[in-house]
Parts: sequence; C-alpha cells; structure tokens
Amino acid sequence: DAGITQSPRHKVTETGTPVTLRCHQTENHRYMYWYRQDPGHGLRLIHYSYGVKDTDKGEVSDGYSVSRSKTEDFLLTLESATSSQTSVYFCAISQGVAGGPSGTDTQYFGPGTRLTVL
Amino acid sequence: AQKVTQAQTEISVVEKEDVTLDCVYETRDTTYYLFWYKQPPSGELVFLIRRNSFDEQNEISGRYSWNFQKSTSSFNFTITASQVVDSAVYFCALNNAGNMLTFGGGTRLMVKP
Repeated sequence: DAGITQSPRHKVTETGTPVTLRCHQTENHRYMYWYRQDPGHGLRLIHYSYGVKDTDKGEVSDGYSVSRSKTEDFLLTLESATSSQTSVYFCAISQGVAGGPSGTDTQYFGPGTRLTVL
Repeated sequence: AQKVTQAQTEISVVEKEDVTLDCVYETRDTTYYLFWYKQPPSGELVFLIRRNSFDEQNEISGRYSWNFQKSTSSFNFTITASQVVDSAVYFCALNNAGNMLTFGGGTRLMVKP
C-alpha cells in the first residue's frame, strides 16, 4: 500500500471558521491531489500539485486553497468553511515524470477525511 | 471535456452470481487512460486496474475481468462467482493524459449470502 496519511480523519466545525486538512506521503511522489466525494458525484478534483510550490486548480476549486512547501506534505485550506463544503476529502498521489503530465500514472488514495460544517 | 457514466447506481446479487458493472466514457482525445477503483464499506479507495486507449485486450485477474471496447466507448467490469466481500462501491474513471481524473458516479454492489 502507498504510504499516504491524512489528518484529521474526522472533523466537525462551524460555518465561517478556517479549516486545514493535511496529506502526508512517504513515497516521494511528485504529484499530489485533493478530491472531494459527494453522493452521486463520485470524486471531483479540487486542486493538485506537480511539485513543491507548484499547484493548479481542479474542477471544484472555489472556496479552497492549497500549499505544498515540502514534497511529502500537501495542505488543503478552507478559508471560511460553509455547509456546502461538508464532504469526504481524499488525498491522492502519483509518481509522475519530470516535465510531463501525470495522466499515465495510477493515483493512489489516502484514507479520507470526513468534514462536517455545521 | 471528458465524462464518465455509470448508469447502474445500485446492483444486488446473490453470492456466486456473476455481475457486470457498466462504464461508458466520453472524450475527444485519442490517448487516454481508464481506471477502476473499489471503495469497500470501510471507505478507502482501492486501485483495481489501469488501461490505456491503445490496448483493447481484455484482462482477467482471478474472478475479475475487464472488457474494453473503443467502438462503444465502454470499459465494463465483470465479477465472476461474486462473494460477500465484493460488496462495495465501484468507480470507473478516465484520464486524458492530463492531470485530472474524471470519475463516474459509482455503482454500489451488494452481494447477499
């Protein structure tokens, strides 16, 4: 199994508060991703990173920001949480190759974080 | 734009029955990659298979098999002699060699003893 951990695993917070979720990998993979999973939608990409300090938006990036200061850590921040951001958040990693897209690589997923915004 | 459709939202079978999960995709690219993931009740996502658009050979892995047909844009997944442990949500996904994996809505498979 790929070495991916997410913290916290569960969080309940109130509308308007900032929230940061952490993804940590021990595989030294280049690409890291944040997805959210909602009923009927499968998983949707929020943001991804293709290297330290290199990030880009995904399909549902509004209301989220990310940072990657080290290869092994990818942080997802909800600046001011809303009830519509109640979801299960998954981090994923893929190996990637320098200078190329990661589409050829399999993405491996972390255990997920269940976030409830009241 | 790319899209993945899993029309079967829920399937229920009795143990030892064969079951096929359908996946239909849309993409304008000639190079793309297809995936299946399993999400058991414990919630983690488990990678099952990756296929590229140039390889239409069917694949078999134990009780699992995959049928890739470019002519119908389908990548179906069959479980032979289903077992209770196969109960899970199964996701089909597509990547057009970019950086975004597009998932279908998932099919919940319930295998009853």
